[in-house]
Amino acid sequence: DTGVSQDPRHKITKRGQNVTFRCDPISEHNRLYWYRQTLGQGPEFLTYFQNEAQLEKSRLLSDRFSAERPKGSFSTLEIQRTEQGDSAMYLCASSLGADSNQPQHFGDGTRLSIL
Amino acid sequence: GDSVTQMEGPVTLSEEAFLTINCTYTATGYPSLFWYVQYPGEGLQLLLKATKADDKGSNKGFEATYRKETTSFHLEKGSVQVSDSAVYFCALSLNAGKSTFGDGTTLTVKP
Repeated sequence: DTGVSQDPRHKITKRGQNVTFRCDPISEHNRLYWYRQTLGQGPEFLTYFQNEAQLEKSRLLSDRFSAERPKGSFSTLEIQRTEQGDSAMYLCASSLGADSNQPQHFGDGTRLSIL
Repeated sequence: GDSVTQMEGPVTLSEEAFLTINCTYTATGYPSLFWYVQYPGEGLQLLLKATKADDKGSNKGFEATYRKETTSFHLEKGSVQVSDSAVYFCALSLNAGKSTFGDGTTLTVKP
């Protein structure tokens, strides 16, 4: 169990640029989740995958955001035309199975800073 | 919608003090409940969980009991240590396993 890995750890970019984050889940986990966390708040759900299928997207996920998990393994989250309000910690988590009682295993996150 | 409300922090305690962090929830169904902990510089990790009413989750001296009648899942520890200093998040999970989190409670334990 090598844990959930996220890359990069920190991304600084200018407003209007596109950014892409990567998440590598625990290898046998079929569920993968993206969350966003701002200072002083808990993680907010963005989207999740079961294998390669994206099953749900939060209304927080505007059309500037897109997530993929092409082979059911790693996932990418892209933000186009970044805005100041996109500055946050982006967390990836994975879990095994579809039961709500399965805990999620989190990566250390990617911190996005928009200049 | 579903929501989790946690006791506001920060909480500062002396070593060996008793800890309670309150958590209440609102859910449209019958959720599983979790406490996650985030130590300084680290990612969130599961502390304990409970999946049905009256279940008690426990780990590392921490306990929480799933109280359906009061929709609560309060975290307790009888004697805290400096190493327990962290941010604690209460969370619920319903359909599909996605989680709804509280805003976190920062605990500082002083020697």
